[in-house]
Amino acid sequence: QVQLKETGPDLVQLTQTLSITCTVSGFSLTTYNVHWVRQPPGKGLEWMGAMWNGGGTDYNSAFKSRLSISRDTSKSQVFLKMNSLQTDDTAKYFCAGTMYTTDYPPDYWGQGVMVTVSS
Amino acid sequence: DTVLTQSPALAVSPGERVTISCRASESVSTLMHWYQQKPGQQPTLLIYLASNLESGVPARFSGSGSGTDFTLTIDPVEADDTATYYCQQSWNDPLTFGSGTKLEIK
Repeated sequence: QVQLKETGPDLVQLTQTLSITCTVSGFSLTTYNVHWVRQPPGKGLEWMGAMWNGGGTDYNSAFKSRLSISRDTSKSQVFLKMNSLQTDDTAKYFCAGTMYTTDYPPDYWGQGVMVTVSS
Repeated sequence: DTVLTQSPALAVSPGERVTISCRASESVSTLMHWYQQKPGQQPTLLIYLASNLESGVPARFSGSGSGTDFTLTIDPVEADDTATYYCQQSWNDPLTFGSGTKLEIK
């Protein structure tokens, strides 16, 4: 059974760094592409980036050099790190995966973790 | 970035047919997908590659389109279809989502 679960802080201080872990089960990270998507309260979905099954990454340029995605295949974990947080980074952060090629959308999603950036 | 434009909201009665549109600012070939999101939940994939029904999704849902104009159809609509529907493209980088269409069932 494919599952993804995000864990991370509820609250992060302004200008600090956000770290979220996506722990997956039911599949290997070497066969699945994992995406990060966020959703501010009451707003739409925003694609942040992805960790491809081959180990490469892709980032939304909107996040410039603030965002880093990495993984530990032995622990079945994908990591999101984003620095210089601002109040508009307050959002629910989702990880989502698919076993298919990069053309395909993620079909398995975690429940998300809500992160508030506080001043 | 590829901008996906959706109507903000629709209201229909149970049993009716509803079409939700998504227009892309540039061609995305057939790499358009549709999600349903209910309040407090994660998105659920409905349609991938413009017209393919995701496993487990009722056949009441269907998708069509190519290039810049796409449609999600629900026929017939049921009360449980109350949700926000998002289109998402994967042809151009970065992947982008539409702003969502909130569907109300009267």
